[in-house]
Amino acid sequence: DQQVKQNSPSLSVQEGRISILNCDYTNSMFDYFLWYKKYPAEGPTFLISISSIKDKNEDGRFTVFLNKSAKHLSLHIVPSQPGDSAVYFCAASATSNTGKLIFGQGTTLQVKP
Amino acid sequence: GAGVSQTPSNKVTEKGKYVELRCDPISGHTALYWYRQSLGQGPEFLIYFQGTGAADDSGLPNDRFFAVRPEGSVSTLKIQRTERGDSAVYLCASSLLPGGEQFFGPGTRLTVL
Repeated sequence: DQQVKQNSPSLSVQEGRISILNCDYTNSMFDYFLWYKKYPAEGPTFLISISSIKDKNEDGRFTVFLNKSAKHLSLHIVPSQPGDSAVYFCAASATSNTGKLIFGQGTTLQVKP
Repeated sequence: GAGVSQTPSNKVTEKGKYVELRCDPISGHTALYWYRQSLGQGPEFLIYFQGTGAADDSGLPNDRFFAVRPEGSVSTLKIQRTERGDSAVYLCASSLLPGGEQFFGPGTRLTVL
């Protein structure tokens, strides 16, 4: 039972354009959502998060949008840069579970120069 | 300061053998998490420590897997009678407090032949 799903295994965009990565979840108990970025042979690194009381959170080039009714979130990267090429994981947690993260399968983003 | 470190970085073993994987969290972090990442999947939660005690071990797949954190810092994940299906990257993360931002180590790639 995959509670967090990233249905696009890969995405390719041109440098300077927008990258949009999508994530769906099924568990209505989730109240905190995160995006992690992972380079090969490294652990995931935290990118941006959003609480369920918000519908948008922005940090520089990165914006996360949350649609609770649709149980959907997305990560927008504008403008995309070649250094953004990595695997992006969506993750969710429920406050009651003290930080246990449930991850999606990941989306590999390639930003072409 | 140093990040989360994990040793060994790679471990190759034979089916049926016993292995130990070590995690050194960021100094002062009270919460420690173990995840397992299989090929093409996102990290999957295994166990969470708050201090010395396992607060949530619901992700351990079976009784061949065991983890300890005797002094509330370093943790060891122990796998008995390894099986080929145990092959994966084992990730450790720590956070200052439960529910806080998790910082991941680079992982230990375990290969069971």
